[in-house]
Amino acid sequence: KNEVEQSPQNLTAQEGEFITINCSYSVGISALHWLQQHPGGGIVSLFMLSSGKKKHGRLIATINIQEKHSSLHITASHPRDSAVYICAVGIEGTSGSRLTFGEGTQLTVNP
Amino acid sequence: NAGVTQTPKFRILKIGQSMTLQCAQDMNHNYMYWYRQDPGMGLKLIYYSVGAGITDKGEVPNGYNVSRSTTEDFPLRLELAAPSQTSVYFCAATLGSGHSGNTIYFGEGSWLTVV
Repeated sequence: KNEVEQSPQNLTAQEGEFITINCSYSVGISALHWLQQHPGGGIVSLFMLSSGKKKHGRLIATINIQEKHSSLHITASHPRDSAVYICAVGIEGTSGSRLTFGEGTQLTVNP
Repeated sequence: NAGVTQTPKFRILKIGQSMTLQCAQDMNHNYMYWYRQDPGMGLKLIYYSVGAGITDKGEVPNGYNVSRSTTEDFPLRLELAAPSQTSVYFCAATLGSGHSGNTIYFGEGSWLTVV
């Protein structure tokens, strides 16, 4: 079982819809990151959070440490939001720290 | 600032050839990483470096080598390329350790095909 699980794997929405992408993890973490990967490959950091909630424009990220779960919400979705969204968790270990990535959620927003 | 710059963006290699993927950052970040991304899979860590002169293996280091002679540069060397190394490679950098308080900056990716 992967340490980081995302759902759904694929998501298709109509422009304007409210979108939720989920991330569950099975280990203790130091932080959780949400990343966006556009067609053509570049990866951009959207959020880094260790508790609570963060908002940036139409994007909202929440995390529940007790339940080991995070959600990424997109309000008033737009075709330009079409991308792969990746959840990654930072794990501190005795041999150092590492990031473990989910497999990503492919989001397609149709006009 | 350019951030993290990777070259080349695309490359086709024949089995057994060698090549170096270049990665440079101008943010004075100590930590640098190389990941590979296979279709439908999460990014896997190949090697990382916590500062100039220090490198360490990640999850999938076999078939690769790295060096970190300066803070800015972190090249990834593929020796004796194999079809299993066909992948997209990403270089990344963070300011400090643990990822706990640090934004991750990625390069644009390098698409490598071994035939």
